[in-house]
Amino acid sequence: DADVTQTPRNRITKTGKRIMLECSQTKGHDRMYWYRQDPGLGLRLIYYSFDVKDINKGEISDGYSVSRQAQAKFSLSLESAIPNQTALYFCATSDPREGSNQPQHFGDGTRLSIL
Amino acid sequence: GEDVEQSLFLSVREGDSSVINCTYTDSSSTYLYWYKQEPGAGLQLLTYIFSNMDMKQDQRLTVLLNKKDKHLSLRIADTQTGDSAIYFCAGGRGNQGGKLIFGQGTELSVKP
Repeated sequence: DADVTQTPRNRITKTGKRIMLECSQTKGHDRMYWYRQDPGLGLRLIYYSFDVKDINKGEISDGYSVSRQAQAKFSLSLESAIPNQTALYFCATSDPREGSNQPQHFGDGTRLSIL
Repeated sequence: GEDVEQSLFLSVREGDSSVINCTYTDSSSTYLYWYKQEPGAGLQLLTYIFSNMDMKQDQRLTVLLNKKDKHLSLRIADTQTGDSAIYFCAGGRGNQGGKLIFGQGTELSVKP
């Protein structure tokens, strides 16, 4: 979805470095999510936020932190990157006003490699 | 915990029908979704079905839900090479929760 922008698109870094992945959206949605995708494992939820003051851990939050700087921005940080955090990371947004099924809208992903 | 399972690969010939299967464990999922991921892109919602429905048809797509067996399938009629992608099923509670639990994804390969 062009309205959900992730930066950078690709990043290679070394073990122990602090990394920040950014997500911004122009959809005006309150709810934002961070997932990671690994081959054969699908997408797993890292953190989610239902509004600026609400941050919740997902199923695999260890080693990650997030910041919701504004309704439109949700950043994911790896405080001290390790090789098993090498993955494809996706940001998504949703809004209950889009219907009770509340579809999620995804960015194009950030491919992160940790050496 | 909640779990959604899919087979990892499916290969079909152009013009044939494709059937992608999914099983889930969380009976409280009120919506079941199919997302499509093309290479280098994020996920796009293809279709969804509400848990009190058995079937939903949308052009070439047919979703079947067997709630008793917790089995969901996506049938793509007249499969085209442009349908080659990874297909994810996901369960969620819609407005009651917002979070989704995804399956592993099925890579569909369509051969000419």
